[in-house]
Amino acid sequence: EIVLTQSPGTLSLSPGERATLSCRASQSVGSTDLAWYQQKPGQAPRLLIYGASSRATGIPDRFSGSGSGTDFTLTISRLEPEDFAVYYCQQYGTSPWPFGQGTKVDIK
Amino acid sequence: EVQLVQSGAEVKKPGESLKISCKGSGYTFSSYWIGWVRQMPGKGLEWMGIIYPGDSDTRYSPSFQGQVTISADKSIYTAYLQWSSLKASDTAIYYCARLGSRAVLWSPVGYWGQGTLVTVSS
Repeated sequence: EIVLTQSPGTLSLSPGERATLSCRASQSVGSTDLAWYQQKPGQAPRLLIYGASSRATGIPDRFSGSGSGTDFTLTISRLEPEDFAVYYCQQYGTSPWPFGQGTKVDIK
Repeated sequence: EVQLVQSGAEVKKPGESLKISCKGSGYTFSSYWIGWVRQMPGKGLEWMGIIYPGDSDTRYSPSFQGQVTISADKSIYTAYLQWSSLKASDTAIYYCARLGSRAVLWSPVGYWGQGTLVTVSS
């Protein structure tokens, strides 16, 4: 079973700064099988990135994903106030479709 | 517009049974895998299992196999998650989640329900 480890646990940044979030898999993931989700307090998660680097419909281009194999990155080029949230990576190529434990991006 | 509307919050006692629901609309319900995700208080997301309403093919995450039952009634576009005997540790928000690609098991979650809070307390 693949385990996803996200780092850091919390990222404290200011609006306008760049955020770089990491997701590392315990074994190689198919490059098309990695997604990122955003979750705000009291809301359901929202798909941001699928296939490691493709933005979902309606997602601003300040969000980008990269990586392959075991190391993946979500980058937010310039943080907007609405981007402060928790971000989860997920591997969906094999059961049981694990999520990482999440990275919280909060306001510095 | 695709929508997943879940049943309301529940407060139960340990040992009681429960069935929560998720009604889909705006798409062909029988043609997309739909699953359940648990989020315990202040914690992350955990896949519980998933079902294909077209033929009721169901897969469970090992951690949840035997602990819950996932079902679907395609005639009323509704998926269900049920427990036969709740525990305090089942207290969580439960999200239904529809995969993004038609009939494809290995695809990300495209749509989420609003969540159902289940509280189990004596």
